[in-house]
Amino acid sequence: EAQVTQNPRYLITVTGKKLTVTCSQNMNHEYMSWYRQDPGLGLRQIYYSMNVEVTDKGDVPEGYKVSRKEKRNFPLILESPSPNQTSLYFCASSLTSGSSYNEQFFGPGTRLTVL
Amino acid sequence: KQEVTQIPAALSVPEGENLVLNCSFTDSAIYNLQWFRQDPGKGLTSLLLIQSSQREQTSGRLNASLDKSSGRSTLYIAASQPGDSATYLCAVSGAGSYQLTFGKGTKLSVIP
Repeated sequence: EAQVTQNPRYLITVTGKKLTVTCSQNMNHEYMSWYRQDPGLGLRQIYYSMNVEVTDKGDVPEGYKVSRKEKRNFPLILESPSPNQTSLYFCASSLTSGSSYNEQFFGPGTRLTVL
Repeated sequence: KQEVTQIPAALSVPEGENLVLNCSFTDSAIYNLQWFRQDPGKGLTSLLLIQSSQREQTSGRLNASLDKSSGRSTLYIAASQPGDSATYLCAVSGAGSYQLTFGKGTKLSVIP
């Protein structure tokens, strides 16, 4: 089944404790992206990757890191989480076409709470 | 910078009604526009994708239209059902950009 998976689905942690949220897709998509969703603010892009070893910042990259060492995986790293990073996080992927991309497929989300 | 607005923020209709959700965007230089559905606490499910060269797309009871020149898209839902209750999001991707900009969504409630 074609899908985007995220782990963990729920995570409660404390300020400053490094964590990684994994994202994997099995559709051979070039483009992958991370979003966070907050009440009243909607979905905002954190980082994206056009292909292996190619990443760039989205609208709200501060406090996050990413890497793309393999095409199927795009982990999101919070090296020193803070309470303002408490949010619902989504990973997405799509094929690329020309200078933009096609239909995006989303993972089920990771609900992160930072105490 | 692209801004996407969805009005209304919430909508409640009786079962069986036809309804229209609106999406507007400020920069008409888009590559495509995508409508999503989100159930509470869940991920996003893609409903329809309209390329910038297209005027509309249909899937079952859903029809999405795109008017690039006026910066508007509508999602038409025919014969609404309680199972249609969810938040509907529209998102645009800009030509020459890899970013997807989302509206804040319309929360739809279909009352049996």
